[in-house]
Amino acid sequence: SYELTQPPSVSVSPGQTASITCSGDTLGDKSACWYQQRPGQSPVLVIYQDDKRPSGIPERFSGSNSGNTATLTISGTQAVDEADYYCQAGDMSTVLFGGGTKLTVL
Amino acid sequence: EVQLVESGGGLVHPGGSLRLSCGASEFTFGNYWMHWVRQAPGKGLVWVSRVNSDGSTTNYADSVRGRFTISRHNAKNTLYLQMNSLRAEDTAIYYCVRDSADDYGDYRFDYWGQGTLVTVSS
Repeated sequence: SYELTQPPSVSVSPGQTASITCSGDTLGDKSACWYQQRPGQSPVLVIYQDDKRPSGIPERFSGSNSGNTATLTISGTQAVDEADYYCQAGDMSTVLFGGGTKLTVL
Repeated sequence: EVQLVESGGGLVHPGGSLRLSCGASEFTFGNYWMHWVRQAPGKGLVWVSRVNSDGSTTNYADSVRGRFTISRHNAKNTLYLQMNSLRAEDTAIYYCVRDSADDYGDYRFDYWGQGTLVTVSS
């Protein structure tokens, strides 16, 4: 069965760039989304269609998707960005989430 | 502002049933595909089911197919999830989610409810 694989954790210093990857067979042929979930809160869409930002999402969030890997990049990471991040993709009949990555801003 | 409010969660014995509801407001409910997504305590997001805008097409995760039924009542702006033959592994927060993607096979979960907790335990 199809799977999306994320690293369990990523650490970054404030002001630096954080990159979170999501791997899946020919993922680049699908449309990837990314969600941010802070503790005790519902998820929030931060990237859709690989690289588009919904209104209200800061410009420091960007995305890419090619080959077998989608990447969420956070430039100038801030303490408020500390959260769990989930990638998502799907096909005509099912939706998949990656296992999630805990981003720690040290 | 768009609102999704889930209800109906609670404690149920293994093998029991529960029906979740999700009331939608401040958007044209009948224009959107809707989904249920769940999250077990301390775990990641798992997609459960989806229904198209008029309720004629449904899809399910393998883990719930044959036990759960998704439906909607557009005149009441309400989404449902009927859960039967519940198991301990169904214990989770269940989120109601709006999908604003334009293309079939594409997904964009732009609004999430606050979730309702379902606990399956004896």
